[in-house]
Amino acid sequence: KAGVTQTPRYLIKTRGQQVTLSCSPISGHRSVSWYQQTPGQGLQFLFEYFSETQRNKGNFPGRFSGRQFSNSRSEMNVSTLELGDSALYLCASSFGENTEAFFGQGTRLTVV
Amino acid sequence: GESVGLHLPTLSVQEGDNSIINCAYSNSASDYFIWYKQESGKGPQFIIDIRSNMDKRQGQRVTVLLNKTVKHLSLQIAATQPGDSAVYFCAERPLDNQGGKLIFGQGTELSVKP
Repeated sequence: KAGVTQTPRYLIKTRGQQVTLSCSPISGHRSVSWYQQTPGQGLQFLFEYFSETQRNKGNFPGRFSGRQFSNSRSEMNVSTLELGDSALYLCASSFGENTEAFFGQGTRLTVV
Repeated sequence: GESVGLHLPTLSVQEGDNSIINCAYSNSASDYFIWYKQESGKGPQFIIDIRSNMDKRQGQRVTVLLNKTVKHLSLQIAATQPGDSAVYFCAERPLDNQGGKLIFGQGTELSVKP
C-alpha cells in the first residue's frame, strides 16, 4: 500500500510569487491535513479537508489556502510568498477521526 | 522579528538502555494522542497512539503511558537502538475540534550512543 505522496520534494521561489503543493493520500483515506514545520515554531496545523470540504483551519493568513479533489488528493497554495514562509510543508492523511494520521515526506519550500 | 529556533529537549542514552520521553499536553478535552518519530529529512512517522479511556498501551518495544490527571504522556522505548535516534513528538487531538487537527509538542531529540 503506497504511503502519502507529496510533490515536489523541494522548491525554491522568489518573494511575491505563489506556489502550489500537492498531496496524494493513502488509498481509502478521506481526510487530508496540512502542517507547516519550522525551527522557530515547530509543527503547526494549517487546515484539514474531508470529502472536499475544509473541516478545520489553523491560524494562518488568507494567503494560505487549499482544496481537495473528489479522489481525495489535496493541494495547498501560498500566494505572495514571504521569506518567513520558508518551511517544510507536511501533509497527513487518515481514514477518519481518532485514527492514525500518516505523514508524507514533505515539501521543502525556500523563499529567497 | 527574528525567528529563534526552538531549543529541543535532548535525551542521550546508551544503546541497549531503556528510554523515556515525556510530554505535557495542553488541552484537558483532548481524547486521542499519538507519538511520532521524525528522522532528519523525513516526515513524522507514526509510532503508537492511545485513546483517553486508556492509561497504557504497548507496541513492539514501545509503551505509551497516559496520565490525564496531570495531562502527561510518556513514551518508553525498550532496548534502545542507534536507529531510534530521531526527534520524537507527541500530538493531541482536542475533542472540541471537529475533525483531524493535531496539536504537536515541541519535540525531544533522542540520541543513542553505540
